[in-house]
Amino acid sequence: GQSLEQPSEVTAVEGAIVQINCTYQTSGFYGLSWYQQHDGGAPTFLSYNGLDGLEETGRFSSFLSRSDSYGYLLLQELQMKDSASYFCAVRVLNASGGSYIPTFGRGTSLIVHP
Amino acid sequence: DTGVSQDPRHKITKRGQNVTFRCDPISEHNRLYWYRQTLGQGPEFLTYFQNEAQLEKSRLLSDRFSAERPKGSFSTLEIQRTEQGDSAMYLCASRGRGGTEAFFGQGTRLTVV
Repeated sequence: GQSLEQPSEVTAVEGAIVQINCTYQTSGFYGLSWYQQHDGGAPTFLSYNGLDGLEETGRFSSFLSRSDSYGYLLLQELQMKDSASYFCAVRVLNASGGSYIPTFGRGTSLIVHP
Repeated sequence: DTGVSQDPRHKITKRGQNVTFRCDPISEHNRLYWYRQTLGQGPEFLTYFQNEAQLEKSRLLSDRFSAERPKGSFSTLEIQRTEQGDSAMYLCASRGRGGTEAFFGQGTRLTVV
């Protein structure tokens, strides 16, 4: 089976830096993605790590350590609009070995205070 | 590129009725996923299509659920004999060949009363 663990809630103030951790246990692991979802909205893609290390996209960075089965999303210069749920998703090879299925964690609710 | 669209956006149905949802993926995307999401949870995988072939189904997908993608373009998800536990947001996502990003539609919110 597969399991992903991430904190259920994180709070921070505007302008701060926050890190959302994700640990996973899965077979057929191929990579780790991060998605953002505002209340009532669709999940939207933030970043993907296929290799160990740090990927930076503007204010957001994501990190992966395959040996530790661990990744994190780093959000800098927090803004009120960053208040949302953040999901890590492992990209796993399906049973037949031919395709990749994104499997999501339960999500972290980020609350940004003024 | 108009993104992934889903129809209807909301559906209220009585227990025991059948419902069908439609998803139109991004036109050049050959991979299509259906997910279910309940409040406070992440999207839960239901099924996956590559072109018209259904290549993966979750063990959570009961016999009351069926999905099709007859021409490799739009897809439908049907739930027969709905139960109150089927109440959820049903999300569709598509991905292009070689792409790492799944693009999600706005979802269909199903309420079974």
